[in-house]
Amino acid sequence: DTEVTQTPKHLVMGMTNKKSLKCEQHMGHRAMYWYKQKAKKPPELMFVYSYEKLSINESVPSRFSPECPNSSLLNLHLHALQPEDSALYLCASSQLEAWTMGTEAFFGQGTRLTVV
Amino acid sequence: DQQVKQNSPSLSVQEGRISILNCDYTNSMFDYFLWYKKYPAEGPTFLISISSIKDKNEDGRFTVFLNKSAKHLSLHIVPSQPGDSAVYFCAGRGSARQLTFGSGTQLTVLP
Repeated sequence: DTEVTQTPKHLVMGMTNKKSLKCEQHMGHRAMYWYKQKAKKPPELMFVYSYEKLSINESVPSRFSPECPNSSLLNLHLHALQPEDSALYLCASSQLEAWTMGTEAFFGQGTRLTVV
Repeated sequence: DQQVKQNSPSLSVQEGRISILNCDYTNSMFDYFLWYKKYPAEGPTFLISISSIKDKNEDGRFTVFLNKSAKHLSLHIVPSQPGDSAVYFCAGRGSARQLTFGSGTQLTVLP
């Protein structure tokens, strides 16, 4: 199983709503990531969780709140978003241990978020 | 400050010929460089990687070359196939295995 599963695939929310994006992997990866991709731009790193602890926050506004309940799950809680936050949100995971051969991060299909 | 740059937004190649996609970087701390392929509304799919201490890695039709002194890498696809048409991202890998992506190159392989 080399899948990273993200739900929902599409989400439309108002600026006063609270919603959550979910990500799941069962590859035993101990690093999980949230990236944001705007149209015709590359994915940009938002957060990194290493061994279920937040290790990198790329100065993301507090209206985005990540959570890693266990080693297989990663959530992104959304509250009071702006229309400019509309984007494709990508979850990824990778191995962390130095002795592992795999080098790549595996990406989910993404959640297409529209803020109205 | 763009740490990873792909200066060609698009590339068109005839089927069966070689596709060469280029990437430049400024961050010497990347330990690996990776190439991903992406279709619209999908997540990036890993293609091939190279360690920062190597100069070449080959996997089937895909070969990545790294010139560390020039801080330049390239992806060669030979022979190119119409199914290779997609956006290709080059990425550098940091200490938490996070990726910094270039802006991407749209490859179109013409039948």
